[in-house]
Amino acid sequence: AQKVTQAQTEISVVEKEDVTLDCVYETRDTTYYLFWYKQPPSGELVFLIRRNSFDEQNEISGRYSWNFQKSTSSFNFTITASQVVDSAVYFCALSEATGNQFYFGTGTSLTVIP
Amino acid sequence: DGGITQSPKYLFRKEGQNVTLSCEQNLNHDAMYWYRQDPGQGLRLIYYSQIVNDFQKGDIAEGYSVSREKKESFPLTVTSAQKNPTAFYLCASSPPGRLNTEAFFGQGTRLTVV
Repeated sequence: AQKVTQAQTEISVVEKEDVTLDCVYETRDTTYYLFWYKQPPSGELVFLIRRNSFDEQNEISGRYSWNFQKSTSSFNFTITASQVVDSAVYFCALSEATGNQFYFGTGTSLTVIP
Repeated sequence: DGGITQSPKYLFRKEGQNVTLSCEQNLNHDAMYWYRQDPGQGLRLIYYSQIVNDFQKGDIAEGYSVSREKKESFPLTVTSAQKNPTAFYLCASSPPGRLNTEAFFGQGTRLTVV
């Protein structure tokens, strides 16, 4: 079963628009961790944020914000006032305290049009 | 600077040949991972190693082999048994037994069969 689902394969927005990338996860563990990564055209995955299952506080970092809701098993990522440099593939990932690997979603390709 | 180095960046292989992708890290991480990335399929785990001289198969290990003789190095061999090896390969590492910490990624190797 897919542990991390990113239903949006591709998204295009015009510069300065806000955009939300969805992430739904599945786990039976009570202790788990959620991550977002950005993959620019160069290919390397860049870490953006980590959240543990006991901390549902939303987080804001500049133009980026994350909404973690255990009730809906979602960890959505919003970019405010998007810029061309935000164009990339974004991955959501999950790890479990009882596990030994990271589970990645299939990624969302974001294109910001100038 | 600490980080993960993958080489080469681009690799071409003739059908029937084995090739080895290099992954070196100086982060003092015990755990290392190999992922394969195909368009629209996200990252799929090939092999992972939690400690020197030990490694485990991931979801798509067939046609691949690894070794972990040194903490810093986790080379991946794509054998002739791998029928569709053209893909982007990413190596990652993380601190030992602590999946609450993000994985760090190399810049990837793009393998093409010619």
